[in-house]
Amino acid sequence: DGGITQSPKYLFRKEGQNVTLSCEQNLNHDAMYWYRQDPGQGLRLIYYSQIVNDFQKGDIAEGYSVSREKKESFPLTVTSAQKNPTAFYLCAGRGLHALEAFFGQGTRLTVV
Amino acid sequence: QKEVEQNSGPLSVPEGAIASLNCTYSDRGSQSFFWYRQYSGKSPELIMFIYSNGDKEDGRFTAQLNKASQYVSLLIRDSQPSDSATYLCAVRLGARQLTFGSGTQLTVLP
Repeated sequence: DGGITQSPKYLFRKEGQNVTLSCEQNLNHDAMYWYRQDPGQGLRLIYYSQIVNDFQKGDIAEGYSVSREKKESFPLTVTSAQKNPTAFYLCAGRGLHALEAFFGQGTRLTVV
Repeated sequence: QKEVEQNSGPLSVPEGAIASLNCTYSDRGSQSFFWYRQYSGKSPELIMFIYSNGDKEDGRFTAQLNKASQYVSLLIRDSQPSDSATYLCAVRLGARQLTFGSGTQLTVLP
């Protein structure tokens, strides 16, 4: 089964905790992206990576961190510095010469 | 001014009618344009993309792009209740990341 796989589907975090959201792909996508979506809102870019070992901040990077040690993997850590982390997190990938991006199933994070 | 703007809706159309969804963008250098459909609680799925002025048709869907006026639209012919979803417009400038609008919620009434 191929595509972009995010895990877990649901995640609960206590205040003050760091949590890491997984994003794995087997589509050989060069570019990978993390977006955040709040209820009734569009998608806002957190971080993106065009190649291994390189990544760039998006519009709302504060309180988040990423790594890109392997082409297939682009995990997102939500740190305790993110004051309002409850949201739907979406990972996407895009091939080097492709126009379109494809999304994983998403992770819904809730702070309890 | 937002980079990508969409009417939030909700937009309601009767089954079998044409649904028209509109999107405007601010950066004249934008080169490629995308329509995603998102069902409640699910991730966005790509419906169509367009990068040349004019119309692009795929089944019941037609994307229209007018770069001079900086708008892109999506027409859904013979709308079905299963088309009820939020439709997201996205724009990319060159190799940069996608910028999304806030989405238009469409309801097709049986």
